Amino acid sequence: SAVISQKPSRDICQRGTSLTIQCQVDSQVTMMFWYRQQPGQSLTLIATANQGSEATYESGFVIDKFPISRPNLTFSTLTVSNMSPEDSSIYLCSVGRGGGVKGETQYFGPGTRLLVL
Amino acid sequence: GEDVEQSLFLSVREGDSSVINCTYTDSSSTYLYWYKQEPGAGLQLLTYIFSNMDMKQDQRLTVLLNKKDKHLSLRIADTQTGDSAIYFCAEVDSSYKLIFGSGTRLLVRP
Repeated sequence: SAVISQKPSRDICQRGTSLTIQCQVDSQVTMMFWYRQQPGQSLTLIATANQGSEATYESGFVIDKFPISRPNLTFSTLTVSNMSPEDSSIYLCSVGRGGGVKGETQYFGPGTRLLVL
Repeated sequence: GEDVEQSLFLSVREGDSSVINCTYTDSSSTYLYWYKQEPGAGLQLLTYIFSNMDMKQDQRLTVLLNKKDKHLSLRIADTQTGDSAIYFCAEVDSSYKLIFGSGTRLLVRP
């Protein structure tokens, strides 16, 4: 498994501002993902954070709204830009080593609970 | 596209067995997962099963896979109040993307 931490754990923000969420892993991982979980809903993949290249975004998510950095194999950030109340969600990062039997398994961080007023 | 479906709610009495069901659409899925989310927490990986297996047992947890019907179930034996949580099943596609079900909220009554 992997130990994953996220900062901040929760925040309350004003509309129009931006928040950067950090995800730190205790070991090098090939793949890092960012998910959104809206209140009472399941998880939706925002993007795959690729080390050394631009993130790969899912349909409905764009880089201008959710810029992602992946400077190395243990760290990634997700920024929620120009926030509106509709962005109030839990944002979770997950990691997978990619390839091989256990590589496909994804482990999740504790999540960042965001409330936009 | 791929779709994963679960019933939304299950209520059981403490000590009884719980069975949470899931159906999926992608027959090429190689791995299927069960995650647990307790209130205010992230997702905890409970167990996973390879597509070439029919059953996997891990202590109180039993996973059954029916590939023909694309049906996955999670049985929790001797359910405890600490098992109250939301349980998500998920399949992984060839790009390592997880497709989640809507989650089943399990309530364990004393």
